[in-house]
Amino acid sequence: QVQLVQSGAEVKKPGASVKVSCKASGYTFASYSMHWVRQAPGQGLEWMGIINPSGGSTTYAQKFQGRVSMTRDTSTATVYMELSSLTSEDTAVYYCTRGGTLTSWYLDFWGRGTLVTVSS
Amino acid sequence: QTAVTQEPSLTVSPGGTVTLTCASSTGAVTSGYYPSWFQQKPGQAPRALIYSTGNKHSWTPARFSGSLLGDKAALTLSGAQPEDEAEYHCLLYYGGGQLVFGGGTKLTVL
Repeated sequence: QVQLVQSGAEVKKPGASVKVSCKASGYTFASYSMHWVRQAPGQGLEWMGIINPSGGSTTYAQKFQGRVSMTRDTSTATVYMELSSLTSEDTAVYYCTRGGTLTSWYLDFWGRGTLVTVSS
Repeated sequence: QTAVTQEPSLTVSPGGTVTLTCASSTGAVTSGYYPSWFQQKPGQAPRALIYSTGNKHSWTPARFSGSLLGDKAALTLSGAQPEDEAEYHCLLYYGGGQLVFGGGTKLTVL
């Protein structure tokens, strides 16, 4: 069965960076893209970007351009999302969610989320 | 900044039918926006329900259906159950790999 296991909660100070991991299993890792989505407390979902694990190509939401980096390690079937220059507005639960094989708009399985708290 | 708009909240009676909608600030939502819908219960990760307007995932209950309604995407729940009480999020594709979520609709079954 498809599983996406995310890393544990993080507490960061303003200005710092955070790197969240998402380990995939139960399917061919390189064949499906991976999206990152976040949700601030009491707020809606916000799409951050997508990575193609096969070649490592990425597309980021305009809001996060220059501040986010998505990478992957095919040897461990893990994708990473690093967000820099953190502010309190980045406090949120960050989710990885599996995308499609040839499509950018498809999402199916979700990780359980990683809470990132930004506080001085 | 592109905005996707959903009803903030809706209420449906048990066994009743309700339609949630998803509008785009850029104009009419068409199949080319590949509308998707997700259900999220408190403290849980979202769960995918519908993709590409009206296609269901293998785990999606039959009482949920997706469509285009006028100039919006729509999610219809027919025969609401108490366990359907949740937040529902729509997602639209704007090309160039860009996706935007709506603000979510809190659905109460009462």
